[in-house]
Amino acid sequence: AQKITQTQPGMFVQEKEAVTLDCTYDTSDPSYGLFWYKQPSSGEMIFLIYQGSYDQQNATEGRYSLNFQKARKSANLVISASQLGDSAMYFCAMREGTSGTYKYIFGTGTRLKVLA
Amino acid sequence: DSGVTQTPKHLITATGQRVTLRCSPRSGDLSVYWYQQSLDQGLQFLIQYYNGEERAKGNILERFSAQQFPDLHSELNLSSLELGDSALYFCASSVNDWPQHFGDGTRLSIL
Repeated sequence: AQKITQTQPGMFVQEKEAVTLDCTYDTSDPSYGLFWYKQPSSGEMIFLIYQGSYDQQNATEGRYSLNFQKARKSANLVISASQLGDSAMYFCAMREGTSGTYKYIFGTGTRLKVLA
Repeated sequence: DSGVTQTPKHLITATGQRVTLRCSPRSGDLSVYWYQQSLDQGLQFLIQYYNGEERAKGNILERFSAQQFPDLHSELNLSSLELGDSALYFCASSVNDWPQHFGDGTRLSIL
């Protein structure tokens, strides 16, 4: 079974609109971390946001927020006020296990295109 | 600029050969992570080092090995190379237990 599932291979959003990129995860560990990364066409990988499984509040970083629904095992990324520079591949990832035995698993990504 | 330096940027070699990829982490970061990104496998976590010690191990093949040196730079050694090893290899560093700062990657092409 997939540990990280991103069901949207590609998405379009109008500039200045908000967009939600879906991510569901599967783990039996009580302690885990969830991450989102951005990979523009230039190829570099950019860390966006982190959510710990015990965090009570949803993580936010500027225009990025992580909609963490623990019971549903979902960790959707919300980008507010989309900009043309947001066009990129977005990866959801999870860290499970304990220190010394961590595993990092990535989803297959969602390609976002922001339209002018 | 992430502050993470990877060399070389591109590497072309033949099957059966051995290569070494190098990563210098951002100043102050003790953790170094290695990832492989290919069209077939997507993004795969290989290994993490923290202050010279192995911290986590992912889908790293036995033909691959890594180490982190006292100055905190890390090297990923790939041996007996196969066509399927062609990929973009990323290094990342952090002060925490998750990769935050990524290098630009080394693109490895096996002919």
